[in-house]
Amino acid sequence: AQSVTQLDSQVPVFEEAPVELRCNYSSSVSVYLFWYVQYPNQGLQLLLKYLSGSTLVESINGFKAEFNKSQTSFHLRKPSVHISDTAEYFCAVLTYGQNFVFGPGTRLSVLP
Amino acid sequence: DTGVSQNPRHKITKRGQNVTFRCDPISEHNRLYWYRQTLGQGPEFLTYFQNEAQLEKSRLLSDRFSAERPKGSFSTLEIQRTEQGDSAMYLCASSLAPSGSYNEQFFGPGTRLTVL
Repeated sequence: AQSVTQLDSQVPVFEEAPVELRCNYSSSVSVYLFWYVQYPNQGLQLLLKYLSGSTLVESINGFKAEFNKSQTSFHLRKPSVHISDTAEYFCAVLTYGQNFVFGPGTRLSVLP
Repeated sequence: DTGVSQNPRHKITKRGQNVTFRCDPISEHNRLYWYRQTLGQGPEFLTYFQNEAQLEKSRLLSDRFSAERPKGSFSTLEIQRTEQGDSAMYLCASSLAPSGSYNEQFFGPGTRLTVL
């Protein structure tokens, strides 16, 4: 069975500072990896995904994540955050023929 | 395309009552998923439909839960004899059936259930 760990339940950071949200997973088979973002009172939105190919993937709003197979990690990074990035971020894994397994989430609070 | 919609957005009920939630997927999507999200946790898969057929149910879906998608469009999730442990956000998502490895799921805003 697959599982996802997000060690940081809350991450406060000042505006324009860099941020890293950690995600580790366990799986005995190949996985697809995702980051979803949930803004207050809204549904989950796909931020970025790794299916195959380049291990570094990027979103349109500057977030990047790198798939590291040896460390079973898919950490999310942004070099300079904005107030509007305040949200809850969920890491998720998907294996072929199975359903999503989500991590518990990390609440990112960007402070002015 | 207005995305996935869910109604009601909030529901407060007394223990023992029955509740029903509705999900309207993106119109051309043939797959529809239900998830439950409790406080401090990520969404947990409950069940999914392809067209009218319910293809998979999680062990989280007890006998008090039933989901339908009678015409392959909207879906309903009913909880009978609600318990306080049913309090959660119920999320719906829709997608096209995977043509390869994966098709993106689009999530609705959720229905927040509070059982008193």
